[in-house]
Amino acid sequence: ETGVTQTPRHLVMGMTNKKSLKCEQHLGHNAMYWYKQSAKKPLELMFVYNFKEQTENNSVPSRFSPECPNSSHLFLHLHTLQPEDSALYLCASSQGLAGGQETQYFGPGTRLLVL
Amino acid sequence: EDQVTQSPEALRLQEGESSSLNCSYTVSGLRGLFWYRQDPGKGPEFLFTLYSAGEEKEKERLKATLTKKESFLHITAPKPEDSATYLCAVPQTGANNLFFGTGTRLTVIP
Repeated sequence: ETGVTQTPRHLVMGMTNKKSLKCEQHLGHNAMYWYKQSAKKPLELMFVYNFKEQTENNSVPSRFSPECPNSSHLFLHLHTLQPEDSALYLCASSQGLAGGQETQYFGPGTRLLVL
Repeated sequence: EDQVTQSPEALRLQEGESSSLNCSYTVSGLRGLFWYRQDPGKGPEFLFTLYSAGEEKEKERLKATLTKKESFLHITAPKPEDSATYLCAVPQTGANNLFFGTGTRLTVIP
């Protein structure tokens, strides 16, 4: 595997389900990000981790719970989601943070549909 | 407040018809401007980073330029495989992340 991988690629869940999204980066980077991309809207940052420590939480509802066990893996745990949470969830990584100046490399995304 | 505005929202070109996409920005001290390409249902793919006014970078049929207020992505003699959404982004003031525009959806017709 190379670059940034995400699983699953597609997910359909009910509002009462609990599921997790997984991201793995094979680039030796130290920072990882979760973004949400909805139709006709710009990418929306959710969380940033640097060396496993959360550095940004962009006022994300508690039904989204991130976990970063090491610099290569990032999870997004989902529970009691709402239909408006349906979107493409993107993971990215960068060498460091550098105030956002580091190039971010994205995974292919997980297309989530909440029924 | 940081702002990134991309225009046009959508652009249709005939194969070989050159054009430019615009990204205008407002930030407290530019620390870089990033261009990405995104194909439908996929993650953004990094293209270029520009750091100072006057800087230019090229990759195949794409050339990115930067001024103090905006960046242009020039597409020369585009091919159908250049069809994608092109995103620009700047480091957000006081934060460790990129602030993205809504993108320009480019369609190149054979």
